[in-house]
Amino acid sequence: GAGVSQSPRYKVAKRGQDVALRCDPISGHVSLFWYQQALGQGPEFLTYFQNEAQLDKSGLPSDRFFAERPEGSVSTLKIQRTQQEDSAVYLCASSFAGTGYYEQYFGPGTRLTVT
Amino acid sequence: DAKTTQPPSMDCAEGRAANLPCNHSTISGNEYVYWYRQIHSQGPQYIIHGLKNNETNEMASLIITEDRKSSTLILPHATLRDTAVYYCIVRATHSGNTPLVFGKGTRLSVIA
Repeated sequence: GAGVSQSPRYKVAKRGQDVALRCDPISGHVSLFWYQQALGQGPEFLTYFQNEAQLDKSGLPSDRFFAERPEGSVSTLKIQRTQQEDSAVYLCASSFAGTGYYEQYFGPGTRLTVT
Repeated sequence: DAKTTQPPSMDCAEGRAANLPCNHSTISGNEYVYWYRQIHSQGPQYIIHGLKNNETNEMASLIITEDRKSSTLILPHATLRDTAVYYCIVRATHSGNTPLVFGKGTRLSVIA
């Protein structure tokens, strides 16, 4: 079946612009995660949704970052007033939530470049 | 911070076994060892996980030492498509509702 998809795959923004990154998880997956991956580093957790509820946003680096999942499926990560340090690959992952469902399925990511 | 230590890079000849080590000396009794890999320009992909016993699936084998302070991921016959960054992760729960904590991983280069 279809995997996790993300759009756009590449985004170039001028400093100060707002951007919105979309994630389409695997159908039926309750859990959805956003990660940020800087060049040469491993992914770092940003935020977690269970259905439409944002249960953990401890990894969001500032109040310029905002995520939503209003209907419990598609999610959007929004970054306001982008800065150069926001340049990274943003990864989305989804999974089932119950015990025993351990695997997270990742999308290909959106590469954001802030100039 | 990641609770694992991995070498930054390794090379392996095509067709040979690739043995990727991981140290997790502070692992707790209820923590699992997970391995993911990330091929260039793709998202991470689950490989295998284990608690105490050695595990094998169609992709790899996982050998965990008796004291659980280290483990080795084995790709039995590495191919060029196995070139990727491999991440060893310890995780307290065995469910899909907790985030993964990645370190920098090991960059494996499979050479023809």
